[in-house]
Amino acid sequence: DTGVSQDPRHKITKRGQNVTFRCDPISEHNRLYWYRQTLGQGPEFLTYFQNEAQLEKSRLLSDRFSAERPKGSFSTLEIQRTEQGDSAMYLCASSPSGTVNYGYTFGSGTRLTVV
Amino acid sequence: AQSVTQLGSHVSVSEGALVLLRCNYSSSVPPYLFWYVQYPNQGLQLLLKYTSAATLVKGINGFEAEFKKSETSFHLTKPSAHMRDAAEYFCAVSQNSGYALNFGKGTSLLVTP
Repeated sequence: DTGVSQDPRHKITKRGQNVTFRCDPISEHNRLYWYRQTLGQGPEFLTYFQNEAQLEKSRLLSDRFSAERPKGSFSTLEIQRTEQGDSAMYLCASSPSGTVNYGYTFGSGTRLTVV
Repeated sequence: AQSVTQLGSHVSVSEGALVLLRCNYSSSVPPYLFWYVQYPNQGLQLLLKYTSAATLVKGINGFEAEFKKSETSFHLTKPSAHMRDAAEYFCAVSQNSGYALNFGKGTSLLVTP
């Protein structure tokens, strides 16, 4: 397993268009997280899944943002009607379940530019 | 809620000098604490983690951090900086396993020859 994979690496879109990003976690990890990172800031938590269940989504930035993990493996993050303020790096991370938090493994991210 | 504050958005050291990056946390429960490094246009790589075992934690690339409950600190150190250490460093805190990591704003480390 080569780690957490994100696709695409870069996405340029026009304002108002919809975009979808994909994340493939480490295969034995059943927890998956989405973060957003804007320039000069630390990553900001958006949502997370345990298997196919989305356990936390209250911190998604608006109702234009949605995420799915239909079969408990890969996940997608969709942004509808993109705005220039959505330009950021979108990071995916995964971790195994368990009672001790050993940290998360991050992917390389998808950089979104809205023009 | 848990949060971290990283003191100093930019730190510059000479090659071979001590690296000290500061992180203070706020948590109402025993925290899990992490340091991550980010190189340009890449994701985050875990340097080290505190999970309530030893208070002095050793990580990769010669970095270590000490958990000091009395000071609510988790500062990152390295005895001798290398040019390859130049990167963005993030401190993060989590309440428990499976919870979100709350990151600081990051400290950019510059290493000069």
